[in-house]
Amino acid sequence: GDSVTQTEGPVTVSESESLIINCTYSATSIAYPNLFWYVRYPGEGLQLLLKVITAGQKGSSRGFEATYNKETTSFHLQKASVQESDSAVYYCALGDTNAYKVIFGKGTHLHVLP
Amino acid sequence: NAGVIQTPRHKVTGKGQEATLWCEPISGHSAVFWYRQTIVQGLEFLTYFRNQAPIDDSGMPKERFSAQMPNQSHSTLKIQSTQPQDSAVYLCASSLAGGPDTGQLYFGEGSKLTVL
Repeated sequence: GDSVTQTEGPVTVSESESLIINCTYSATSIAYPNLFWYVRYPGEGLQLLLKVITAGQKGSSRGFEATYNKETTSFHLQKASVQESDSAVYYCALGDTNAYKVIFGKGTHLHVLP
Repeated sequence: NAGVIQTPRHKVTGKGQEATLWCEPISGHSAVFWYRQTIVQGLEFLTYFRNQAPIDDSGMPKERFSAQMPNQSHSTLKIQSTQPQDSAVYLCASSLAGGPDTGQLYFGEGSKLTVL
């Protein structure tokens, strides 16, 4: 079946350090999945961080970037210099073009130390 | 612009009791989803409505769980005879079905259910 595997947390980094959260997917029933990163900040609901619907393209938001790599079935999330306000839980997800059944990874809890 | 509203935010029930969770989607969104979140399983898809019609309930435990969407402004998830393993955060999300925003889900803050 379709699945998403991402870095197990918690991940702790210091402010201004670089970050990468790995995400790989298996899409056996979806030929061209849409890929997403969602984020849940403390006290807030889960929200979309970025999405990419075309292989080879890169999405970016709030200083985060992720590139849709169909060859390695990966969609790693990166940021060059994290801030304390980036502390949150990050979820990698995939869906079909209708995307009514979005499949999520288990989430990665990120702690950024001041 | 109000987001997805879920009530109650926290609910504690005794084993065997019934729990009903409510969701008000964003006005104009025609798709409504329910997910269950636990530490062990992560986010699990439960069910999906489009234009109030149930489309897919393949993630719902068959015997005790049911979901309805009687009108476009709210959906309910009902759990009968709750068990300790039902303890989780239940998330409701809505989205525009089709169009440039396809795939973008807007989530509520969740209802945390604790079954003693």
